[in-house]
Amino acid sequence: AQSVTQLGSHVSVSEGALVLLRCNYSSSVPPYLFWYVQYPNQGLQLLLKYTTGATLVKGINGFEAEFKKSETSFHLTKPSAHMSDAAEYFCAVTDYSGAGSYQLTFGKGTKLSVIP
Amino acid sequence: DGGITQSPKYLFRKEGQNVTLSCEQNLNHDAMYWYRQDPGQGLRLIYYSQIVNDFQKGDIAEGYSVSREKKESFPLTVTSAQKNPTAFYLCASRTATNEKLFFGSGTQLSVL
Repeated sequence: AQSVTQLGSHVSVSEGALVLLRCNYSSSVPPYLFWYVQYPNQGLQLLLKYTTGATLVKGINGFEAEFKKSETSFHLTKPSAHMSDAAEYFCAVTDYSGAGSYQLTFGKGTKLSVIP
Repeated sequence: DGGITQSPKYLFRKEGQNVTLSCEQNLNHDAMYWYRQDPGQGLRLIYYSQIVNDFQKGDIAEGYSVSREKKESFPLTVTSAQKNPTAFYLCASRTATNEKLFFGSGTQLSVL
C-alpha cells in the first residue's frame, strides 16, 4: 500500500519569496513521484515527475523537486514566488509495476497563496 | 487540439435520480480514470479502465457505475445509491507506456 502526506493544507508566501511545499510518501517498492497543479475549477496539470535517475527534477514554471529516499520525501520548491503560482498543488505516488498497470495515490493538496 | 473533454461543466441531481457524466478523449490513450475531489480531501479513485470493455473498481466505487464500450469514451453514472454525490469529478487518461496522466477540466455535481 502506498500513501502520501502533504504537510500544510494552506501555505502563504510573499511575492518573490521561496516556495516550499512538503510531501512525504510511503511505498513498498521504489516509487514514481509526481507534483500536479490545479487552478480553480480546472483539471490537474503535471508540474514534474521523478521516475528513475537524477534525484533533482526540474519542472515547468520554475519549480523543482528533490527525491530523498532516506527521508521518503519529495518536496516542491521554487526560488521566487509569482502571483500566478497561486493554486492548489498535489503530490502523488505510484508503485508502477512496469506492466502498464498502476494507480496514482494523491495527497490531500496544499493551497498556495501569494501575497503581493 | 487533442485533449480530454468532460461535460457538462456543472450538473445538478435531484433526489433518487441517476446522472451520467461524460468523458471523451481524442488522445488515443488506452487507460482512463475517474476521480472524485472533495475540498481538503485530495483526489480519490472511483473507477479505472485499462482497455475497452474492461474496468476495475477504485477506492470509492460504491454508488457509481461506468462503461468502456469505446476507447475514447468512459462515462460515469452517479446512481441514487450514492448518498453524498456533491463533489468535483475529474476524468483522466494516459497511454499504456507512459505514467503521465492527462486530466479533463472537471464536472461539478451538486444535489438539488
